[in-house]
Amino acid sequence: QQQVKQSPQSLIVQKGGISIINCAYENTAFDYFPWYQQFPGKGPALLIAIRPDVSEKKEGRFTISFNKSAKQFSLHIMDSQPGDSATYFCAASFDSNYQLIWGAGTKLIIKP
Amino acid sequence: DTAVSQTPKYLVTQMGNDKSIKCEQNLGHDTMYWYKQDSKKFLKIMFSYNNKELIINETVPNRFSPKSPDKAHLNLHINSLELGDSAVYFCASGGGADPGYTFGSGTRLTVV
Repeated sequence: QQQVKQSPQSLIVQKGGISIINCAYENTAFDYFPWYQQFPGKGPALLIAIRPDVSEKKEGRFTISFNKSAKQFSLHIMDSQPGDSATYFCAASFDSNYQLIWGAGTKLIIKP
Repeated sequence: DTAVSQTPKYLVTQMGNDKSIKCEQNLGHDTMYWYKQDSKKFLKIMFSYNNKELIINETVPNRFSPKSPDKAHLNLHINSLELGDSAVYFCASGGGADPGYTFGSGTRLTVV
């Protein structure tokens, strides 16, 4: 019940395309769902986060879609750019200040 | 002004040695964490400290021990290093006004 399952493991998208990464969770008590972006040689950095009271959150080219009934959430990157190439992690927790339960990560490559 | 800084960035050492990794945060966060990231990029939480108290201690070998002299520092000591300890270790902090964690840049530990 504590798991967060992330897919795909790796993803290759053409420049200008839409990148979509999916996550599924089981514990309905989770209340906070962030996405982190990690570049090679760096630590993960918070990209965008959502709470279950909304179905979508958009920040620039990055959008989280949240489906509470399906217990799924996804990250959409519009107009994907080579600079978006990184590893993306979804996570979940009971609160923004509690321990995060992490997905396994998705390595995204944007081809120019 | 690095928010979460950890040293050293690279550490190469022989099996059986004892080593330490230092971490400092200047964000005023209440909680600090140590994560291990393996070659498959999976993030595994090792420890967290909240106001100098250990509040999470995952099933890591007791060769690993966190030491927190104050709220801004959480060091990681590793005794009798083994080949399987080779990984990237990340320090992170959280619990401030902004949600989520702030990670350091990581320490790549190689045991030979």
